Amino acid sequence: EVQLVESGGGLEEPGGSLRLSCAASGFTFGSYVMSWVRQAPGKGLEWVSGISGSGGTAHYADSVKGRFTISRDNSKNTLFLQMKSLRAEDTAEYYCAKEGYWFGEANFDYWGQGTLVTVSS
Amino acid sequence: EIVLTQSPAVLSLSPGERATLSCRASQSVSSYLAWYQQKPGQAPRLLIYDASKRATGIPARFSGSGSGTDFTLTISSLEPEDFAVYYCQQRSNWPPYTFGQGTKLEIK
Repeated sequence: EVQLVESGGGLEEPGGSLRLSCAASGFTFGSYVMSWVRQAPGKGLEWVSGISGSGGTAHYADSVKGRFTISRDNSKNTLFLQMKSLRAEDTAEYYCAKEGYWFGEANFDYWGQGTLVTVSS
Repeated sequence: EIVLTQSPAVLSLSPGERATLSCRASQSVSSYLAWYQQKPGQAPRLLIYDASKRATGIPARFSGSGSGTDFTLTISSLEPEDFAVYYCQQRSNWPPYTFGQGTKLEIK
């Protein structure tokens, strides 16, 4: 059974940093593109960042480019999102999601339960 | 960036009725469009991919159609558990992957 479990969310002040993690199980983690998708309170879904199976290629939404860094540790089946220079508008539930073997090949077929990030002073 | 526009924003129907949800893309996405269902407090769930293919375990009452810029999600006979928010998403032109703003399907 595929499982994705996020952690690392919490309350952080504007300008601060947080590191999110997503522990994966039930599939060959290193073979799949993984993404982070966020949802501000009461709002819709926004793709944030994605990373190739090898970790060698990453893409970002313009809204987070230069502030967020996605990475993965395939030996530990874990996906990360390092978030810096946080802004109030980064407040959201952050989901990790599994894609296909390469970017654009498939949709998000499995999602974690989410971790809430709140940016406020 | 491809913009997806969903309509209506809110759809009020009764159990047993037929639901028709629309998603329009700002440029062609071929058939690379998916639909997700999200219930309160839950993560989204993939329902339909490649415009018309049901994901694993999705009941036959859910169907998708369309190509290019106009797409439809149809629920043939609403069950109580179908009342939720539905999002469309494209993977034709990326980055970024984009989502529609959602349609809330509520009980009338």
